[in-house]
Parts: sequence; C-alpha cells; structure tokens
Amino acid sequence: DGGITQSPKYLFRKEGQNVTLSCEQNLNHDAMYWYRQDPGQGLRLIYYSQIVNDFQKGDIAEGYSVSREKKESFPLTVTSAQKNPTAFYLCASTTGRRQYGYTFGSGTRLTVV
Amino acid sequence: EDKVVQSPLSLVVHEGDTVTLNCSYEVTNFRSLLWYKQEKKAPTFLFMLTSSGIEKKSGRLSSILDKKELFSILNITATQTGDSAIYLCAVYGRTGYALNFGKGTSLLVTP
Repeated sequence: DGGITQSPKYLFRKEGQNVTLSCEQNLNHDAMYWYRQDPGQGLRLIYYSQIVNDFQKGDIAEGYSVSREKKESFPLTVTSAQKNPTAFYLCASTTGRRQYGYTFGSGTRLTVV
Repeated sequence: EDKVVQSPLSLVVHEGDTVTLNCSYEVTNFRSLLWYKQEKKAPTFLFMLTSSGIEKKSGRLSSILDKKELFSILNITATQTGDSAIYLCAVYGRTGYALNFGKGTSLLVTP
C-alpha cells in the first residue's frame, strides 16, 4: 500500500541534543512538507521541498534543518537551537500540482525531558 | 501576511445536532481551500473547494466557498459521536506551494 511513514511515533530527547525525525513516502510525490502542531495552534509550516536537492523555509524554520537527497525521503532534524521542541510533528506529501491536497503521515510526538 | 481564521475554536453538541464550522481567509493569489478531519494523528482529507457557490457533499458533511466574502463553511448534519475530531481549514498561501492552516475547530459530540 502506498503511503507516508513517519518514525518513530514517540521520541524523547534530552535538552541540548539534536534529534532526527524520519519521513518516507512511496507515493512518487514530488513535494514534501513538515508541520508542527501544538495544542490550540493548528499546523505551522517548518520546511517544504518541491524537488530533490531543494527545500524552502516555512514560517517557523528556526532551530530545524532538513535534507532532500532522495525523492522518497525528507528527514527533519530538531537541533538544540530550537527552544521549545516538544510538539507533534506531521510530515505530508503531494504531487506538487496544487489541485490536490496532502497525504499525511501519522506523526511523531517529540518530548524534551 | 496570509491568514486563515476558524471559528469556533471548540464546540460541544449532542448527537443528532447540526453544526456549522466557519473558516475565513486572507491570502495572496487564492487557488483553493481544503477541509481536513483529524481524529487522532494524521489529518484526513474531506473537501477541496475552488469555485464559489458550488456545494460539495459527502454523506452528512457538506461545504461551500464564498470567494467574494472570503470564507467557507463546513456543515455536519445529524452528528454522531464518531464526528468528534479537530476540523482543519487550509488554503494555499503566498508561496502557492504550501498549505496555510487555521487553528482548527475541536468538535465533541456527546451521546
């Protein structure tokens, strides 16, 4: 079955550590996205990528980094520079032709301990 | 700056009630508005609206867009406890490539 896989589902991180969240899709989608969701805040865009080896900052990119070396993969690194990393992180993809909506992964819940 | 504003932010109704969720937007170069339902983790797609005045329906859910007044509504008739979820409204923002989401409406349907 085609879809988006995010791993891990739950992640605990100590303050000062970097951590990488995985996002893999087998939908042959060109565009991939990372959003952060906090209670009562909706989804806020962190980074997005339209094609391999290219990505753009979203509204809240500070403290995060991404790479897009393969079409299927768009990992997100939460660095120690991110002051409030505890949140629910959602990865999504789409064909890139804006007439279609996103397909979402099941998310990763990151907790800083 | 692009804006998507949903109201109410939360709502509690009894089974069988009809609810209307609102979404207003201000975006540059509007292309489409989307509604998603988020029950636990991954949001699931409900509707995509691009033209004014054309209602889209799926079972008990329906939605319509008003491009002149810059808003959309999502109606749910004869609500069931399974409709309890966060409903998200989104539009393609200034970049044209990424969805800009509202804060969502948290709906709780009680038996």
